[in-house]
Amino acid sequence: KAGVTQTPRYLIKTRGQQVTLSCSPISGHRSVSWYQQTPGQGLQFLFEYFSETQRNKGNFPGRFSGRQFSNSRSEMNVSTLELGDSALYLCASSFSSGGDTQYFGPGTRLTVL
Amino acid sequence: QQQVKQSPQSLIVQKGGISIINCAYENTAFDYFPWYQQFPGKGPALLIAIRPDVSEKKEGRFTISFNKSAKQFSLHIMDSQPGDSATYFCAAIPSNTGNQFYFGTGTSLTVIP
Repeated sequence: KAGVTQTPRYLIKTRGQQVTLSCSPISGHRSVSWYQQTPGQGLQFLFEYFSETQRNKGNFPGRFSGRQFSNSRSEMNVSTLELGDSALYLCASSFSSGGDTQYFGPGTRLTVL
Repeated sequence: QQQVKQSPQSLIVQKGGISIINCAYENTAFDYFPWYQQFPGKGPALLIAIRPDVSEKKEGRFTISFNKSAKQFSLHIMDSQPGDSATYFCAAIPSNTGNQFYFGTGTSLTVIP
C-alpha cells in the first residue's frame, strides 16, 4: 500500500502571500490530520478532517484553513503568510477518527521570507 | 500549555546500552499513548503504542512502561544501535474526541559506536 503523500515537498514564499498544501492519505483512510512542526514548539495539531467534515481544530488563527474532498484527499491553506509560519507541515492519515493510529507523510517544508 | 511533558531533551547512549525516555501527562481522559520515531527529512513513524489497561508492552528491542496512577509512561530501547539515532516523540490522545494527538517536545537520541 502506498503511504501518505504530500505535495509539494518544499515551498518558498514571501510574507503576505498565501499557500496551499496537498495531502493524499493511505488508500481506505478517511481521517486526515494536519500538524505544524517547528524546533521551538514541536508538533502542534492544526485540524482533522473526517469524511469531508472538520472534526477538530487546534489553537491556530483563522489564516489556517483546510478542506477534505470526497476521495479523502485534503488540502490546507495558509493566507497572509507571516515569517513565523515557516515550518514543516505534516499530514497524517488514519482509517477512523477516534484514537486510531496515525501514519505521517514526509511533510512540506515551508519557508517564508 | 504542554499537555504531555517529555524528558530528556537529548540523550547520548553507547552502542548496546539502554535508552530511556520519559513522558508525563495530566489529562486523565487520555487513553492511547503512541511513540513515534523521526529521522531527519522524514515524517514521524509509529514505533509502538499502549493503552492504559496494560502496564507494559514489548515489541522487539522497544518496550513501553505505563504507570497509570503516576500518569507517566516511558520508552525503553534495549541494546541501542547507531541506527536508532533519531528524534523520539511520545504522544497521547483522549478518547472519543477524534484524532487530536498531543505530542511531547521530542528527545534527540544519539547512539555512539
